[in-house]
Amino acid sequence: KAGVTQTPRYLIKTRGQQVTLSCSPISGHRSVSWYQQTPGQGLQFLFEYFSETQRNKGNFPGRFSGRQFSNSRSEMNVSTLELGDSALYLCASSLAAGTAGNTIYFGEGSWLTVV
Amino acid sequence: TQLLEQSPQFLSIQEGENLTVYCNSSSVFSSLQWYRQEPGEGPVLLVTVVTGGEVKKLKRLTFQFGDARKDSSLHITAAQPGDTGLYLCAGGLMDSSYKLIFGSGTRLLVRP
Repeated sequence: KAGVTQTPRYLIKTRGQQVTLSCSPISGHRSVSWYQQTPGQGLQFLFEYFSETQRNKGNFPGRFSGRQFSNSRSEMNVSTLELGDSALYLCASSLAAGTAGNTIYFGEGSWLTVV
Repeated sequence: TQLLEQSPQFLSIQEGENLTVYCNSSSVFSSLQWYRQEPGEGPVLLVTVVTGGEVKKLKRLTFQFGDARKDSSLHITAAQPGDTGLYLCAGGLMDSSYKLIFGSGTRLLVRP
């Protein structure tokens, strides 16, 4: 069974640009969540989607947004990029929403460098 | 506010030694997951514990969830160089949110 797939794996953007990252969850998984990982802050929750609805959002500015499609695939977008947005962006999927006894699997991540 | 305190942050040991990593919180978690992450890759799930007092074993790794579901530990017996990596604990909160709270991670180096 294929795991969580994220594209692109690596990208470099310039300050002020915008970026879209894509995530395909494990087949049959309906919940997709996004995390940002940096050396200083560790893993920080961005948002979670279930059945095309955003269920929860972390403490990130409005420049960070996302969406989920009817096939459960998800995209996240960051507009007006800043140097501090350089990070590993991780997508995770699970069968259902919520975390009680719900195993969450991560993709390999998209490395974003803002210059 | 860091809800999940993980310790130690760094650990360098000799092959064959034992070690324990701890995750502690004042919050109650509905579940707790342990991940291992290699440089440049995403976290790989090792185990999920959901019941207070639960103990799970995965070869040389033993995971325990505290009775009150506020803490957890990972014990590695006879560590090997292949165990080197970043170990992360992550707790699912008991409230209505749908997110994992991650510890800061333990970077383990096992020297041959």
